[in-house]
Amino acid sequence: DAGVIQSPRHEVTEMGQEVTLRCKPISGHNSLFWYRQTMMRGLELLIYFNNNVPIDDSGMPEDRFSAKMPNASFSTLKIQPSEPRDSAVYFCASSLGGLISGANVLTFGAGSRLTVL
Amino acid sequence: QQQVKQSPQSLIVQKGGISIINCAYENTAFDYFPWYQQFPGKGPALLIAIRPDVSEKKEGRFTISFNKSAKQFSLHIMDSQPGDSATYFCAASGRPGGYQKVTFGTGTKLQVIP
Repeated sequence: DAGVIQSPRHEVTEMGQEVTLRCKPISGHNSLFWYRQTMMRGLELLIYFNNNVPIDDSGMPEDRFSAKMPNASFSTLKIQPSEPRDSAVYFCASSLGGLISGANVLTFGAGSRLTVL
Repeated sequence: QQQVKQSPQSLIVQKGGISIINCAYENTAFDYFPWYQQFPGKGPALLIAIRPDVSEKKEGRFTISFNKSAKQFSLHIMDSQPGDSATYFCAASGRPGGYQKVTFGTGTKLQVIP
């Protein structure tokens, strides 16, 4: 398996533009997570999907952020309109489990570094 | 609300020395405590993990020590090597929200100097 695949790896955009980040989880994993990493706040959970259904979106900063998972092999995180404070590295992670007991081992993608000017 | 507190923020260790990173948690519902290692430009990757029913787990040069009563756990890297230079995150996983939510500490940037 190629692991969790994210695109784009780098995105530079101007304030006000729409940004779409994409993620392909590991085949067979039923849980998908979007995290945001910044120096100030570390790794923050934005949203969690289980079997393509959003379970916890309490970490989504505001209405400018939205995430979808139309099928088991694809998810998007969209920011519209983007702002400079959204600049961060966004990680997608997938795992087996989530809503069942047992260890929840996350496999992370390489991340998408977003810069909003 | 930060549920997992991690220290120090950064650490410089001589090659061959012992690196120690500490974490403390608040929620007793956590039942799985992993450590993730992140190299520059990469995503975090699972390094080692422990359950609260054991006090220590060792894998090669990496050891987790766990103190359930104090709600603290730590990572020890023995014989630290320059290749260990990375950012380390402790984490805690449990079912406080009804699912296995993983909460991360703020990270420790380790630099091992020759």
